[in-house]
Amino acid sequence: GQNIDQPTEMTATEGAIVQINCTYQTSGFNGLFWYQQHAGEAPTFLSYNVLDGLEEKGRFSSFLSRSKGYSYLLLKELQMKDSASYLCAVRDSNYQLIWGAGTKLIIKP
Amino acid sequence: GAVVSQHPSWVICKSGTSVKIECRSLDFQATTMFWYRQFPKQSLMLMATSNEGSKATYEQGVEKDKFLINHASLTLSTLTVTSAHPEDSSFYICSGLREEKGSSPLHFGNGTRLTVT
Repeated sequence: GQNIDQPTEMTATEGAIVQINCTYQTSGFNGLFWYQQHAGEAPTFLSYNVLDGLEEKGRFSSFLSRSKGYSYLLLKELQMKDSASYLCAVRDSNYQLIWGAGTKLIIKP
Repeated sequence: GAVVSQHPSWVICKSGTSVKIECRSLDFQATTMFWYRQFPKQSLMLMATSNEGSKATYEQGVEKDKFLINHASLTLSTLTVTSAHPEDSSFYICSGLREEKGSSPLHFGNGTRLTVT
């Protein structure tokens, strides 16, 4: 079956750096996406990786290793507003998005 | 670009009644729209894939007679929860499919919080 694993919850301190990991096993691979979702709101797109390596976008970076079925989202200079759930999603060979359960990130002052 | 409007944002209804949720793509034509449901502290669960002009494809375990989906135009898909029960209370989110290089293929509406009393 298809499976995406990410930690349920993480806690970090304002101003620090946090890395949220995602491992996946899917039928084929056509890209990996990270979304941010605040409580009661729809997800918002953060990043997209289809080739191995690091994609940097401001305070957020996303890394992909296709051979390892592994990605991480790196958040730098954490702000209180970064408290949210972070969803990892993989597009499989049928171009269907397979969603992880999400990682709830708690930022403490 | 790629804006999706979902209405209503929240709705409270009595058990046994029906509720219609609208999802509109405002600046693109969405041949395909997806309907998700999200229970508290859980991830998105795909309910059905809606294709303009044809019947929706429902995921396993989703009752097609209870969750009626209509996608009559390239910019509008509707989800009707029929004979709602308290266990249908959830956050419903639609998304329109539009491929953009290097970006998300899904463009989400703001979601509808349904509470059935």
